[in-house]
Amino acid sequence: LAKTTQPISMDSYEGQEVNITCSHNNIATNDYITWYQQFPSQGPRFIIQGYKTKVTNEVASLFIPADRKSSTLSLPRVSLSDTAVYYCLVVMNRDDKIIFGKGTRLHILP
Amino acid sequence: DSGVTQTPKHLITATGQRVTLRCSPRSGDLSVYWYQQSLDQGLQFLIQYYNGEERAKGNILERFSAQQFPDLHSELNLSSLELGDSALYFCASSVAGDHNEQFFGPGTRLTVL
Repeated sequence: LAKTTQPISMDSYEGQEVNITCSHNNIATNDYITWYQQFPSQGPRFIIQGYKTKVTNEVASLFIPADRKSSTLSLPRVSLSDTAVYYCLVVMNRDDKIIFGKGTRLHILP
Repeated sequence: DSGVTQTPKHLITATGQRVTLRCSPRSGDLSVYWYQQSLDQGLQFLIQYYNGEERAKGNILERFSAQQFPDLHSELNLSSLELGDSALYFCASSVAGDHNEQFFGPGTRLTVL
């Protein structure tokens, strides 16, 4: 079962680019890497998912090196409203347990 | 609004009691997931159903059970409640049985006194 490791917390400033790295050393061939964002007392919200190289959508980019043992979520030009907990999870593309981990608490300062 | 609905929003009960949490997935989604989130444990996956059948099981206690009905709504039953069961319970849904994008509901906050 793939386990992920992320920093517990990060601080940044408005307008900066924020990169959150996640380690997943025992990722399996069929695993996808997915990131969720959660605000207090709300359910998590899907941000982005990828398998390899780079994926970009309207809110974030996901960088995955060739060995896939880590991944980096990149949030361009963050604002105060990006203050949240960000979870990295490794999910097999079939039925299996889902492990969210503790996430990274991102705090954006003015 | 994710399209996933959960009822009730809040629930206060006593130790030893039994409660039922209800979830309606997004229209067209066949999978339903249940999660428990408490302050010290983070977000814990409990169980997944796909089109009425149990698909994956996480750290769900024997005192807890779930089911998914033919209309695809799901219920999570919690019995012999303990103080430690106080938590936010989230339901999520996805289109298929794999673990691609999940849409989370607003949660049910359970307080056991």
